Amino acid sequence: KNEVEQSPQNLTAQEGEFITINCSYSVGISALHWLQQHPGGGIVSLFMLSSGKKKHGRLIATINIQEKHSSLHITASHPRDSAVYICAVCRGATNKLIFGTGTLLAVQP
Amino acid sequence: NAGVTQTPKFRILKIGQSMTLQCAQDMNHNYMYWYRQDPGMGLKLIYYSVGAGITDKGEVPNGYNVSRSTTEDFPLRLELAAPSQTSVYFCASSYSSGGASEQFFGPGTRLTVL
Repeated sequence: KNEVEQSPQNLTAQEGEFITINCSYSVGISALHWLQQHPGGGIVSLFMLSSGKKKHGRLIATINIQEKHSSLHITASHPRDSAVYICAVCRGATNKLIFGTGTLLAVQP
Repeated sequence: NAGVTQTPKFRILKIGQSMTLQCAQDMNHNYMYWYRQDPGMGLKLIYYSVGAGITDKGEVPNGYNVSRSTTEDFPLRLELAAPSQTSVYFCASSYSSGGASEQFFGPGTRLTVL
């Protein structure tokens, strides 16, 4: 069993829909990261959080440390949100990350 | 600032050849990392460095070597390339005082070993 599990693996949505991507982990962590990767593109950090909730534009990330679970929400989704969203957890003082396998999101116009 | 840069963007190697993937950052970050990304798999840590002169193995170090002679540069060396090393390689850096901090990724190098 992977230490970081994401669901769903694939998600297709219509433009304007509210989207939720989930991440569960089984190890103790110091922080959790949400990353975005466009097809053929590089990887961009969206959020790093260790408790509560963070918001940036139409993106919201939440984490429940007790339940070892995080969610990434996208409000009013747009085709440009189409990408792979990756959850990663940080362990230890060296900032090493353990990655989930990603969620491929396609937002159709 | 250029951020994290990687060269080359693409490379095809024959089995048994060697090469060096270059990575540089201009953010004065202490921490640097090399990852590989295989289809359907999460990124895996190959090697990391917490400062000039200090490197350590990650999850999948076999077949690779690194060095960190300066804060800015963190090259990854492949010796005796094998088809199993076909992958996309990402370099990343972060500033960390011992806790978690954001990692900045380079654009990646797509390597094929035939």
